[in-house]
Amino acid sequence: RKEVEQDPGPFNVPEGATVAFNCTYSNSASQSFFWYRQDCRKEPKLLMSVYSSGNEDGRFTAQLNRASQYISLLIRDSKLSDSATYLCVVNYWVGGYQKVTFGIGTKLQVIP
Amino acid sequence: DAGVTQSPTHLIKTRGQQVTLRCSPKSGHDTVSWYQQALGQGPQFIFQYYEEEERQRGNFPDRFSGHQFPNYSSELNVNALLLGDSALYLCASSPGQAREGSYNSPLHFGNGTRLTVT
Repeated sequence: RKEVEQDPGPFNVPEGATVAFNCTYSNSASQSFFWYRQDCRKEPKLLMSVYSSGNEDGRFTAQLNRASQYISLLIRDSKLSDSATYLCVVNYWVGGYQKVTFGIGTKLQVIP
Repeated sequence: DAGVTQSPTHLIKTRGQQVTLRCSPKSGHDTVSWYQQALGQGPQFIFQYYEEEERQRGNFPDRFSGHQFPNYSSELNVNALLLGDSALYLCASSPGQAREGSYNSPLHFGNGTRLTVT
């Protein structure tokens, strides 16, 4: 089983739609969670951290479910500019150092 | 406030050659990690440098080596290039080694170096 699993998509949604992505992780000791956005042939950019109580940033909402070991990203009122790949990142400790693991990414295409 | 900078942006090499990629971390960051991202894949961890030492390493052969300098900048060296080494190489920096149990700061990425091996 992969350490971090994501549905690669693509998710094709119309403008204005609400879309949600999930990401599951295998290590129950995982401590920090992030969502990154990556545009085609560009570097990943931090979208938002994911906190235990859930957090919101404008149209974006992130949730963490430790019991089921998954995090989610909800995008409301999708814009054309939201088209990108969304990478799930999970951190956990091993041998005294944090290990950062990326999912494969979920591709979102917002259609006019 | 300069972010993470990488050079060169693009590089074309021939099988068997050697390549060196460079990275300067974001101001205030002292930990540098290198990732390889093949097309359609998520970034794969190569190694991490802190205090001029390799602290962690992913599943990459010894052909991949690195270095960190006193000013926290870093190099990634790949010897005996293979066609499969063609990828986007990403450098990421973070503000130091967090203590176990504490919140881990997110990584900040450079623009990457796109390496093509022919």
